[in-house]
Amino acid sequence: NAGVIQTPRHKVTGKGQEATLWCEPISGHSAVFWYRQTIVQGLEFLTYFRNQAPIDDSGMPKERFSAQMPNQSHSTLKIQSTQPQDSAVYLCASSLDEGGTQYFGPGTRLLVL
Amino acid sequence: AQSVTQPDARVTVSEGASLQLRCKYSYSGTPYLFWYVQYPRQGLQLLLKYYSGDPVVQGVNGFEAEFSKSNSSFHLRKASVHWSDSAVYFCALSVGTNSAGNKLTFGIGTRVLVRP
Repeated sequence: NAGVIQTPRHKVTGKGQEATLWCEPISGHSAVFWYRQTIVQGLEFLTYFRNQAPIDDSGMPKERFSAQMPNQSHSTLKIQSTQPQDSAVYLCASSLDEGGTQYFGPGTRLLVL
Repeated sequence: AQSVTQPDARVTVSEGASLQLRCKYSYSGTPYLFWYVQYPRQGLQLLLKYYSGDPVVQGVNGFEAEFSKSNSSFHLRKASVHWSDSAVYFCALSVGTNSAGNKLTFGIGTRVLVRP
């Protein structure tokens, strides 16, 4: 079992560019979560899918951020027109079922210059 | 809304000494509680979790935690630390197993440094 896979591990973008982050959940897991980690805010919930359907996006910034799960093997987090304040580590987690233990990937470190 | 407080930003202990990391939560009901550890440049790894039952739960690598509803706490302990326990420890809660409750709310983390 390879665990949750996140690509790329590091990404550097210029201000105003688009960034797409990928997450491959553990095979068989039905729930996928996205979190953001910064020094100032700590770990914050962004959004959550169950069986590929969006369930809770209450943590997503209203503008520029979107997430999708087109199939059971991957989810994407897209940030349009990136800003320096978007610099963070973006963590993806998956769980076997609703309420189950969340297993985290290594994260994608995004730096917006 | 629920919240998690970890009052100690940094803790330094000597190898072989005991360790206690404090966690207080705010939630009107009984939450599901977790301790995760993060090593440098890695994701979060689950140490232990509490859903119900015995308030003392055992985790990996000799860690245990005790839930107290009266104190709204879930403190983490280890009897004898090793240098490899140096990491950041996060306390987290979720408020249920339904779709509204699954997301984790984290504390700010406690950075532990184990001196040789």
